[in-house]
Amino acid sequence: DAGVIQSPRHEVTEMGQEVTLRCKPISGHDYLFWYRQTMMRGLELLIYFNNNVPIDDSGMPEDRFSAKMPNASFSTLKIQPSEPRDSAVYFCASSSHSGSSFSEQYFGPGTRLTVT
Amino acid sequence: AQTVTQSQPEMSVQEAETVTLSCTYDTSESDYYLFWYKQPPSRQMILVIRQEAYKQQNATENRFSVNFQKAAKSFSLKISDSQLGDAAMYFCAYRTLYNAGNMLTFGGGTRLMVKP
Repeated sequence: DAGVIQSPRHEVTEMGQEVTLRCKPISGHDYLFWYRQTMMRGLELLIYFNNNVPIDDSGMPEDRFSAKMPNASFSTLKIQPSEPRDSAVYFCASSSHSGSSFSEQYFGPGTRLTVT
Repeated sequence: AQTVTQSQPEMSVQEAETVTLSCTYDTSESDYYLFWYKQPPSRQMILVIRQEAYKQQNATENRFSVNFQKAAKSFSLKISDSQLGDAAMYFCAYRTLYNAGNMLTFGGGTRLMVKP
């Protein structure tokens, strides 16, 4: 398996523009997570899905952020309109719910977003 | 809510020497998982080692071992025979067992430098 795939790897955009980040989880994984990493706040969970359904979006900073998972193999995180303070590295991770209680989260390579 | 604290923003170690990274956490739960993740300059998050709270024996993975002190809520990572490739950011993470998902709460990270 290719692992978790994220695109683009780097995104530079101007304030006010719409930004869409994409994630393809590992095939067969039924949990998908979006994290944001900044120097000030470290790694924060934004939202996670189970079987394509959003379960907890309490980490989403504000209404400018939205996430969707239309099917088991694709998710998007959209920021509209973008602001300079949204500049960060955004990670997608996936895991499977197995019979055992432990399931490792596999992270994608991240998307570095810069909003000027 | 659980919190994870890494009190050492930076650490350095001489190649081939041993270094210990500290992590403390706060929780009212009795069963949970703890993890150490490594993030090299490539940004990829790599699972280094995990510990189940119900296990008294400290986890070990080759040159990496943990000192898990449940009563003290401490979870330190020891790296033996440090190598140049160990230079990275290290994140301690907590995962609850008591909700439907398996989201992680991360500490702020420790940057490890390895001197040749």
